[in-house]
Amino acid sequence: KNQVEQSPQSLIILEGKNCTLQCNYTVSPFSNLRWYKQDTGRGPVSLTIMTFSENTKSNGRYTATLDADTKQSSLHITASQLSDSASYICVVSAKGSNYQLIWGAGTKLIIKP
Amino acid sequence: DSGVTQTPKHLITATGQRVTLRCSPRSGDLSVYWYQQSLDQGLQFLIQYYNGEERAKGNILERFSAQQFPDLHSELNLSSLELGDSALYFCASSTGTSGQETQYFGPGTRLLVL
Repeated sequence: KNQVEQSPQSLIILEGKNCTLQCNYTVSPFSNLRWYKQDTGRGPVSLTIMTFSENTKSNGRYTATLDADTKQSSLHITASQLSDSASYICVVSAKGSNYQLIWGAGTKLIIKP
Repeated sequence: DSGVTQTPKHLITATGQRVTLRCSPRSGDLSVYWYQQSLDQGLQFLIQYYNGEERAKGNILERFSAQQFPDLHSELNLSSLELGDSALYFCASSTGTSGQETQYFGPGTRLLVL
């Protein structure tokens, strides 16, 4: 069964600190992996998309890594800011006639001053 | 601003009623997706349309239906509403349907069923 699991479920860190969010998936055949940021009550915003051959991708202070062998991805946030408080969602795309997207439940990140 | 618009922003209705949510995709995008997000839950994919044709179906109830019109805007119809249908409904759009494109999300419609 295609699944995406994220950990931790929630995380609280102090402003200025770094953090890493984890994503494990059991999606096959794999097409790509995306990270989205969702502010409370708002639509998700894409941070990165990575294909099978990409190990690392950065978007400002956000760096995503992908290990296709172990089916794991991580999102590292550097020098956190209050505006980073949001849910971060890992989404994996499965190859097929419809390129089904499998959404993780998200990690809720709270940055405290 | 993603360029995807959704109306209305808020909707309050009673059980048993029927409502229609509207979505206009980004200029040039042919794919439209509908998602449901209940309180503190993850996004649930409902349905996708590409250039007027249904492309993929997720966990969409039989009481729900959608369509995409020739001008590419889309409507999601929810009927015989139940309390559990209260949720945020998001529309997203993308350029195509290869599975590689970024989906751009609208601001959502918050539905409350009383």
